[in-house]
Amino acid sequence: GENVEQHPSTLSVQEGDSAVIKCTYSDSASNYFPWYKQELGKRPQLIIDIRSNVGEKKDQRIAVTLNKTAKHFSLHITETQPEDSAVYFCAANSGYSTLTFGKGTMLLVSP
Amino acid sequence: NAGVTQTPKFQVLKTGQSMTLQCAQDMNHNSMYWYRQDPGMGLRLIYYSASEGTTDKGEVPNGYNVSRLNKREFSLRLESAAPSQTSVYFCASIWGDNSPLHFGNGTRLTVT
Repeated sequence: GENVEQHPSTLSVQEGDSAVIKCTYSDSASNYFPWYKQELGKRPQLIIDIRSNVGEKKDQRIAVTLNKTAKHFSLHITETQPEDSAVYFCAANSGYSTLTFGKGTMLLVSP
Repeated sequence: NAGVTQTPKFQVLKTGQSMTLQCAQDMNHNSMYWYRQDPGMGLRLIYYSASEGTTDKGEVPNGYNVSRLNKREFSLRLESAAPSQTSVYFCASIWGDNSPLHFGNGTRLTVT
């Protein structure tokens, strides 16, 4: 089955800095890569996703890049704000409409 | 639209007790999922139902059973709870392949 590795497990930045979270996947058949944000005590919520027919996607301060050859994808957050503090999960689809998640990155943005 | 609704929100069980976690979605989604979330382990798939009438095991199915009651409802049953099943359980649903996964608010279960 699919295996998704996510790094780093924790990330501390100053407000206004950029943050980058990286994920690798194992199944070359995977073609859908969403990112979820989970605030403390809340449910995960989709923030951006990318499909394998594109290499990059942007939504305001958030961008995701995908390198299919290397089987890795990354989340980029620019101009970070304290409200960006949360746990972020990457995921990859793994057949039969299932998603395999990375173990998460706790992002802390200090004012 | 309520989205994905889970009940209960919190539950404390003693070892050996049984319970059923309920999940319902009102988005006419085809596929439904149960995940568990443990610190440092991310979200791990317990069981899923790709369509009404079908269920399949995920990564960590041992100790659980599921029922896809109809298109809207997908329940998770613990027949004999163990402390290792202490976790936060999330139900989720999607419309089809490669579409966003919608999560419920979760059930926090403690087994003593």
